[in-house]
Amino acid sequence: EVQLVESGGGLVQPGGSLRLSCAASGFTFSSYSMNWVRQAPGKGLEWVSYISSSSSTIYYADSVKGRFTISRDNAKNSLYLQMNSLRAEDTAVYYCARVPPTIRPGYFDYWGQGTLVTVSS
Amino acid sequence: DIQMTQSPSTLSASVGDRVTITCRASQSISSWLAWYQQKPGKAPKLLIYKASSLESGVPSRFSGSGSGTEFTLTISSLQPDDFATYYCQQYNSYSSLTFGGGTKVEIK
Repeated sequence: EVQLVESGGGLVQPGGSLRLSCAASGFTFSSYSMNWVRQAPGKGLEWVSYISSSSSTIYYADSVKGRFTISRDNAKNSLYLQMNSLRAEDTAVYYCARVPPTIRPGYFDYWGQGTLVTVSS
Repeated sequence: DIQMTQSPSTLSASVGDRVTITCRASQSISSWLAWYQQKPGKAPKLLIYKASSLESGVPSRFSGSGSGTEFTLTISSLQPDDFATYYCQQYNSYSSLTFGGGTKVEIK
C-alpha cells in the first residue's frame, strides 16, 4: 500500500525557518517524481515545488522561489522541504504528492495526509 | 502562468442529480487536465487525468471531457459520498502547475 506521511509542521515566527519531511513507503520511491502542494486555511490548492526522481530537475512556484528548497534522499525514501524567511501567507497545510510515471507527468496520484505550518508572532 | 477558472464556485444538488462542473484555462492546455475530489480535513483524491481518463477505482458515474481551454467534470447520478469540493489542475506547463479555485458540491 502506498503511504506518504508528512511531518515537521508547527508554529513559527515570521522570518523563521522550518523543515518538512515526507516519508514514503509501499512503492519504489527512487523511481517517482515528487511534489509539495499547500492549502491555506479555507482556501484552494497551490502547487509549491517539484523534484524529479534523481533530483536532476527542480521547479518552484514564484511565491516560494528563493525561500524554499526541495530535496530528497532516495536511500531513506524521504522527501524534504526547507522553508526559510517564512511569511504569514505561507500558513497552510503542506501535502507531499506523488507523480505517476506516465507519458506526460504532472498530476498527482497519491497524497499524504498533510502537515500544518502556521506562521505567526 | 496558466490560470484555471472553475464554475460554479458552489453548487447545490440532490442525491440522484446529474452534476456538471466547468473548468476553463487561460490558454490551450491540450488534454493535460486532472480532476480531484477533496473532503473536509482530508487530502485530495485523483478522479480523472488527461481530461477524460478515469483513475483506477473511481466509480464510473464520474466522467471528464474537453480539450484546449474548456473542460467539464460530470457526475451522472450524485451519491451521498460525492458531497465534497472538486478541483481541476492543469499540467501542460510542467514548471508551473496550477489548480482551479474549486467547486463545492452541497446538499440541496
